[in-house]
Order: sequence, then structure tokens, then C-alpha cells
Amino acid sequence: AQKVTQAQTEISVVEKEDVTLDCVYETRDTTYYLFWYKQPPSGELVFLIRRNSFDEQNEISGRYSWNFQKSTSSFNFTITASQVVDSAVYFCALSDFYGGSQGNLIFGKGTKLSVKP
Amino acid sequence: NAGVTQTPKFQVLKTGQSMTLQCAQDMNHEYMSWYRQDPGMGLRLIHYSVGAGITDQGEVPNGYNVSRSTTEDFPLRLLSAAPSQTSVYFCASSPILGTANTGELFFGEGSRLTVL
Repeated sequence: AQKVTQAQTEISVVEKEDVTLDCVYETRDTTYYLFWYKQPPSGELVFLIRRNSFDEQNEISGRYSWNFQKSTSSFNFTITASQVVDSAVYFCALSDFYGGSQGNLIFGKGTKLSVKP
Repeated sequence: NAGVTQTPKFQVLKTGQSMTLQCAQDMNHEYMSWYRQDPGMGLRLIHYSVGAGITDQGEVPNGYNVSRSTTEDFPLRLLSAAPSQTSVYFCASSPILGTANTGELFFGEGSRLTVL
């Protein structure tokens, strides 16, 4: 079945620490997309990244980096030198095309990150 | 740009009452969807639409109806509210690449619904 697992429910770090948020997925699709979204305390959902299943190159955007490994079905997200503004709930998501589905996103349960000053 | 607009932002209902959550987008997106967010459950898909006149069920459709008469609007109806429908509801839209949803969802600000 299509599934996204974010095993870390909550993480607390001190500012400037590096932190990695884990995401493991299960899919029967051969082509799929993986995503990360951020939900700050204000409640809106902010798109961070989309990764195609054929592109396993790691990506870096400022202090954010993503490690996609098909061999372990993982798409982990690392924040380097964390800041208080990084405090949020982070969701990993997988597109679902299986059985003619329209690519709806399946979300993990989220990881709440708290960055203390 | 308005993006995805949801109304109301907050609503309190009594069990058995009906209501409609409104969602409108001005980006000419073909794909629209409704999710609910509950503590510890992430976001779960209720209903979605890939174009005007086309709707389908998601993971948790029971107790909800939708319609898509225009590209812009995708209202979610609760016919007889139950306490289990207390949640935060998000509407989202996305362009469609070919026949596939590109997945970069644009979310509304959410609607917090409490059913007593």
C-alpha cells in the first residue's frame, strides 16, 4: 500500500544544531513524487520541495538539504544550523498514481520540530 | 494574488447541523482537494476534483459531499455534522501536468470546525 512514515513525532534542538527529519515511504508506483511541506505555528502549509523518483541527486537550498535514497525508500530532510524560525511541523508526502489514482498526495503524520534559543 | 481562499476560518456547529465550507482559487488550477488535519494523524484526503464536473472520494469521504460546477470553486458540505468531524480543514489546488497532478499543492489558510 502507499504509505509515508515519519517515525519522529517530536524533536527538540538548541539553536545552531543540525537536525535531520526522517521520511520512509512505501509505493507500488514506478514513477512517483516525494514532497516536504512546512506548517509553522501560524497554521498555513508551505511547499518546500518536490523530488521525482528518477532523480536521486541530493538537493541543497540554503540551510536545507534533502537526501533521497530509493534503495532504502527514504527522503530525509536536514536543517543545518537550525534557527528558532525553523520551529514548525514538517510533513513528508508521496504522490499516489497507483490503480489510476490522480496523483493525490499521501501525507505522513508529521514531525514537530522545536528549536530553542 | 489571492491564491486559495477558504471561508469561514472558524465555525462552531451543533450535532446534526449542516454547513458548507467554501473554497475558491484564482490560479486556474484544474485540481482541487479537501484535506482534514487531526492531531497525530497528519493530513487525510476527503474529496478531490480534477476539473469542473468531476469529483472523487479520497481516504475519508464519509459524511462529506462536494461539487465542482466551476474551475474556481470547490465547496465542501457537511450534511449532518458529528463531533468526529471536529477538525481543521484545508482546501488545496494544483495545476495538472498531462493527466497527473503535479503535486505542488497550494493550500488555503484552513478552516477550524468544532462540532458540539
